[in-house]
Amino acid sequence: GDSVTQMEGPVTLSEEAFLTINCTYTATGYPSLFWYVQYPGEGLQLLLKATKADDKGSNKGFEATYRKETTSFHLEKGSVQVSDSAVYFCALSAGWFGNEKLTFGTGTRLTIIP
Amino acid sequence: DTGVSQDPRHKITKRGQNVTFRCDPISEHNRLYWYRQTLGQGPEFLTYFQNEAQLEKSRLLSDRFSAERPKGSFSTLEIQRTEQGDSAMYLCASRERTSGPKNSYNEQFFGPGTRLTVL
Repeated sequence: GDSVTQMEGPVTLSEEAFLTINCTYTATGYPSLFWYVQYPGEGLQLLLKATKADDKGSNKGFEATYRKETTSFHLEKGSVQVSDSAVYFCALSAGWFGNEKLTFGTGTRLTIIP
Repeated sequence: DTGVSQDPRHKITKRGQNVTFRCDPISEHNRLYWYRQTLGQGPEFLTYFQNEAQLEKSRLLSDRFSAERPKGSFSTLEIQRTEQGDSAMYLCASRERTSGPKNSYNEQFFGPGTRLTVL
């Protein structure tokens, strides 16, 4: 079945540091890929998405590129802020442009220190 | 519309009791999903509805679990004879019907969840 593997956490960085959170996936067909974020005390929110190979999703300074050859969708940000502290989930969805149920990774807790 | 709402936000119950959760999706969202999230894990799919029809159930959804969406609007998730292993956050999400060109993605919007603790 479909699965998502995220890098082990938690991750602690200083403000303005470069961020990478690794994500790899296993799926049949051509899934769509997502990063969701969960801020303290809030519900899951879509951060960015990519629906086909080589697509780059971006939002709020975060980026991730859909790499079919390495089955990866790593999340990056050039300069993190304290407000980026949250739990980040990589996810995939089968079907046309990801309009099906989501399969999530285990999540990576990110803490940014001023 | 203020988004997906769930009630209650927290539920503490004793083992063996029945519990029921409610989810109100965003108006006119025809698809509704239930997920379960245990501590330190990502959400896991349980079931989903298109309008009032329950189209898929995960093998995680044992016989003690039942979900309904009787009028295609709100949904309920009932757990009978709760066990300590049922302790988790239960999340609901909804999205619009997919229509038009196939190169369109309709985001799933998540509610705040119901945290269940089984003592």
